Amino acid sequence: KAGVTQTPRYLIKTRGQQVTLSCSPISGHRSVSWYQQTPGQGLQFLFEYFSETQRNKGNFPGRFSGRQFSNSRSEMNVSTLELGDSALYLCASSPGGGSSYEQYFGPGTRLTVT
Amino acid sequence: LAKTTQPISMDSYEGQEVNITCSHNNIATNDYITWYQQFPSQGPRFIIQGYKTKVTNEVASLFIPADRKSSTLSLPRVSLSDTAVYYCLLAYSGAGSYQLTFGKGTKLSVIP
Repeated sequence: KAGVTQTPRYLIKTRGQQVTLSCSPISGHRSVSWYQQTPGQGLQFLFEYFSETQRNKGNFPGRFSGRQFSNSRSEMNVSTLELGDSALYLCASSPGGGSSYEQYFGPGTRLTVT
Repeated sequence: LAKTTQPISMDSYEGQEVNITCSHNNIATNDYITWYQQFPSQGPRFIIQGYKTKVTNEVASLFIPADRKSSTLSLPRVSLSDTAVYYCLLAYSGAGSYQLTFGKGTKLSVIP
């Protein structure tokens, strides 16, 4: 099976712009979660989508949003970028049901905001 | 308030057993405790998960006491390739949904 893929792998944006990141989960997986990773804050949960519905949400401002399509692919969007949004954004997929969090991570998108 | 604590770093010699403990409070009653390994420039990789008592797979064991306020990842006979950062992942319930919280990570250095 192909793993989780994320595009693009690297991105440079200017403060105030918006950005959209894409994630394709493992075939058959219905849950997609997004995380932000920075040296200072570590891995922080953004949100989780399951069957096109946001199921869980972390403590990030409304500038961070996401969606999931019927084929389970997911996108996250960050509007009005700030310098502090520079981070590695990781997507993870899992089969979905129950309370297990055995997730499979993609390689991440490295976002740099200048 | 959700709080997860792990040691920042650990050193171990090759061939030794390594135990990494994650302390946590008020985790969701029905959710698993999950551990991940991360190498530089890669996404985290699932190692093991458990709900209570002890779970073992081909690479690690996970010990969870009855009160579920901590969990210990045990890596038997580590090798140089086990040098990585190890994270625990917990689910904390709140405001009608779950907060998925990673610990800050434990950087394990295996010494020849």
